[in-house]
Amino acid sequence: DQQVKQNSPSLSVQEGRISILNCDYTNSMFDYFLWYKKYPAEGPTFLISISSIKDKNEDGRFTVFLNKSAKHLSLHIVPSQPGDSAVYFCAAGGRDDKIIFGKGTRLHILP
Amino acid sequence: KAGVTQTPRYLIKTRGQQVTLSCSPISGHRSVSWYQQTPGQGLQFLFEYFSETQRNKGNFPGRFSGRQFSNSRSEMNVSTLELGDSALYLCASSLVGLYEQYFGPGTRLTVT
Repeated sequence: DQQVKQNSPSLSVQEGRISILNCDYTNSMFDYFLWYKKYPAEGPTFLISISSIKDKNEDGRFTVFLNKSAKHLSLHIVPSQPGDSAVYFCAAGGRDDKIIFGKGTRLHILP
Repeated sequence: KAGVTQTPRYLIKTRGQQVTLSCSPISGHRSVSWYQQTPGQGLQFLFEYFSETQRNKGNFPGRFSGRQFSNSRSEMNVSTLELGDSALYLCASSLVGLYEQYFGPGTRLTVT
C-alpha cells in the first residue's frame, strides 16, 4: 500500500514555463512533507519542505503547496531552467519517525 | 564541509554472499539513515541510527542490518544476498532525525 504517490512518472516542460509536480498521500497523520531532487549518479538533494500546519512555502523559484483536505501537495518551479531536469521525490514523515518516499517524477526541461 | 561519503561506489556480489557497505556522515551529524532505491519501488527507508542506537526501522527482512560507531560512521550489512537485493543503497545524514537529510552518492550493488 503506497502511502505517498507520485502518479506521473515523467513530465516535460518548456524552458521558462512553470513546472508542476504532484504528490498524493493517504496518511493524515503526516507532520511534514519534503521534496528532493536527484541527478543521475548522485544522491538526492533536499529542495524544500512544508509543515502540515502550513499551506504554502516558498524558496526562490520553488514553491510547495499543501492541500490537507485533498491530501495533496505540489511543487511549482518558476521559471523552469535546464538544470532543473532531474528526478523529483516527494516524501512525508510523521511522529513515528518514519519517512516514506514516492517513486519519483522525472522532469525534462525542453529547450 | 565534506559531504556524505559512501564506499564502495560499486559492488558485484553473488547470490548467497554477504556484503557490508560503509557511510561517513557530514561532520557533526549524529543521525544516519539508509535507503534502498530500485526502479520499481523508488526510495525505501531501511533504518536510522542515532548515537549508535537504531532508532527506527523500515519493512525489510532481518537479512538487512546495520550499526553506527561512536564517530557516527555507519555500516550496513546484507546477508544471504538475493537477486532482488540489486539496488542503489543510499546513506543520508542529518543533525537529528529524518528531516532535511543530506544524501551520499550511493553504492550500486549488483547481485548475480
